[in-house]
Amino acid sequence: RKEVEQDPGPFNVPEGATVAFNCTYSNSASQSFFWYRQDCRKEPKLLMSVYSSGNEDGRFTAQLNRASQYISLLIRDSKLSDSATYLCVFPLGGKLIFGQGTELSVKP
Amino acid sequence: NAGVTQTPKFQVLKTGQSMTLQCAQDMNHNSMYWYRQDPGMGLRLIYYSASEGTTDKGEVPNGYNVSRLNKREFSLRLESAAPSQTSVYFCASSEARLFGGELFFGEGSRLTVL
Repeated sequence: RKEVEQDPGPFNVPEGATVAFNCTYSNSASQSFFWYRQDCRKEPKLLMSVYSSGNEDGRFTAQLNRASQYISLLIRDSKLSDSATYLCVFPLGGKLIFGQGTELSVKP
Repeated sequence: NAGVTQTPKFQVLKTGQSMTLQCAQDMNHNSMYWYRQDPGMGLRLIYYSASEGTTDKGEVPNGYNVSRLNKREFSLRLESAAPSQTSVYFCASSEARLFGGELFFGEGSRLTVL
C-alpha cells in the first residue's frame, strides 16, 4: 500500500455543490497533515493545516479519521474558482509525503 | 514580494547534456527543498537542505546534485540528463524546522530531455 493515496478524480460538480475528497495514509503515527491546492501548471499553495482531529476555514473543512486512517476535505457551496488539484500531505519519517492529488472541476 | 524564484522556467535538453536549475528565496528561510512532479506520482523529494552548507538526499536523488552556498540560494544540477528526468521541478522553502510548517514553492521549472 502506498504511504498516501488519493482518488485522482476528476470530480466534476456544479457550482454551489458540496464535494468531499478522501486521502488514505498508511502511517498511523501521523499527528498532523496538510491540504495544498495546485492550480493548473502552477505551484502548490497551502490551503489548510490540521494538527488535531480537524479544522474549519470558511467553506472548507478538513477532518482526520484515525481509526480508518484517512483524512477528508469538504468544500461547501463550491465556486468556479475552487477548480484545482488538491494535494494531501503528511509528515512521515522526517519528510513530507505528498499524495498525487485530486482534481476538482466546478462547472457553471 | 518575490518569495521563491526559480530559473529557468522552461528548458529542453538532449540526453547527456548538463544543466543547473537555480532557486533563490528572499524570506530568510533556513530550510530549502527540491521536488519533482510527474503525472500520477505526486511531488517527490529529490534533495533538501536544513541550513546553509548542509544538504541531504530525499526519495529520488539519483542523477542529481545540489549546492547550498548561502542561505538564499539552493541549486539543482543534472550532470548527464536522461529522458527519465523529464519533469516539472519545484523548489520550496520553509521558515520552521525542517519539514515543519508551510512550504513556499517557486513557480516551477519545466524540463524536457530528448
